[in-house]
Amino acid sequence: GDSVTQMEGPVTLSEEAFLTINCTYTATGYPSLFWYVQYPGEGLQLLLKATKADDKGSNKGFEATYRKETTSFHLEKGSVQVSDSAVYFCALNNNAGNMLTFGGGTRLMVKP
Amino acid sequence: GAVVSQHPSWVICKSGTSVKIECRSLDFQATTMFWYRQFPKQSLMLMATSNEGSKATYEQGVEKDKFLINHASLTLSTLTVTSAHPEDSSFYICSARGLAGVLWEQYFGPGTRLTVT
Repeated sequence: GDSVTQMEGPVTLSEEAFLTINCTYTATGYPSLFWYVQYPGEGLQLLLKATKADDKGSNKGFEATYRKETTSFHLEKGSVQVSDSAVYFCALNNNAGNMLTFGGGTRLMVKP
Repeated sequence: GAVVSQHPSWVICKSGTSVKIECRSLDFQATTMFWYRQFPKQSLMLMATSNEGSKATYEQGVEKDKFLINHASLTLSTLTVTSAHPEDSSFYICSARGLAGVLWEQYFGPGTRLTVT
């Protein structure tokens, strides 16, 4: 079945540092890929997405490129802020029913 | 647009009682809604898929008689935790399937934290 693997956290960075959170997937066909962010005590918010190979999703300074050859969708940001502290989930959707398969989540802590 | 609300945002109940959680799509119609459960510091676990006007489809290992799901309208799905026990304490998140341009997407509610004492 489909699966998503992302790096375990927590990831602790200083403000303005460069962020990479790795995400790889296993799926048949051509899934859509997503990054969601969850702030403390809240639900999930869609951060960015990519629907086909080589697409780059971007939002709020975050970006991720759909790499089919490496089955990866790594999340990057050039300069993190304290307000970026949250849990980030990588996910894929590989069916018409729109069911999402989530990775385990990566907690990011940004220190001033 | 594409806002999903949940009510209540948090609830404390005594063991043995039942709790109902509502999930509403505020500005769009959702024929499909999903219910997730999230334990502390863990990922989301899909519990069931709720389709308007029909029975919910439960994931393996989820007790359908304990977690009753009703999707009576295109904007409302409810999850009732029956005879709740402390091990049912968790963060419950719903999502609704809606169109984003020409693609379907899931829009998530803010979650409901259930504590069973």
